[in-house]
Amino acid sequence: GAGVSQTPSNKVTEKGKYVELRCDPISGHTALYWYRQSLGQGPEFLIYFQGTGAADDSGLPNDRFFAVRPEGSVSTLKIQRTERGDSAVYLCASSSGQAGELFFGEGSRLTVL
Amino acid sequence: EDQVTQSPEALRLQEGESSSLNCSYTVSGLRGLFWYRQDPGKGPEFLFTLYSAGEEKEKERLKATLTKKESFLHITAPKPEDSATYLCAVQAPYSGGGADGLTFGKGTHLIIQP
Repeated sequence: GAGVSQTPSNKVTEKGKYVELRCDPISGHTALYWYRQSLGQGPEFLIYFQGTGAADDSGLPNDRFFAVRPEGSVSTLKIQRTERGDSAVYLCASSSGQAGELFFGEGSRLTVL
Repeated sequence: EDQVTQSPEALRLQEGESSSLNCSYTVSGLRGLFWYRQDPGKGPEFLFTLYSAGEEKEKERLKATLTKKESFLHITAPKPEDSATYLCAVQAPYSGGGADGLTFGKGTHLIIQP
């Protein structure tokens, strides 16, 4: 597709369960970002990939959160032992390198019961 | 710590009623200031990049301006389809948002009534 694709669009899980969220960036974009957005808030940075490596993971809130991008394209955000406070929309964005011009997907809405 | 404050939090206008949204920022070594539009249930959509004080950018009914401490998004004769949340973001050398990462404000929720 032409844009950033995220799956699933909605995920409801129970506290303590493991969750994976997938992001398929725009073809050719080497930079990939994960953000988290809570209701009424702006997006909050989680992690940034340049190619296959995590160039900056300073936004990950704790060690329950992990992300990979093994082939430099698709990325997966993994959340272990989910907590109710993890409920939010998880946004993925990619960039061709033009500073600050990010192309966002529609997000994955995570609800932890 | 980099901070971005947007005001007002919400704004309701009549169609054709021009106004401005404010973005105040404190950042060490601003690399760029960005405006995004976000529709309900969608990801943010890029609008403008501003790099230096005095710079202006225009797109249809929107014009973004930048000073050393704040940016304004002016909307002229808005239409109902301009209703959205408008997000401001800054990029600094060590913003914590990655090499190209952004620090976002909370946004202004704009409603244009027909």
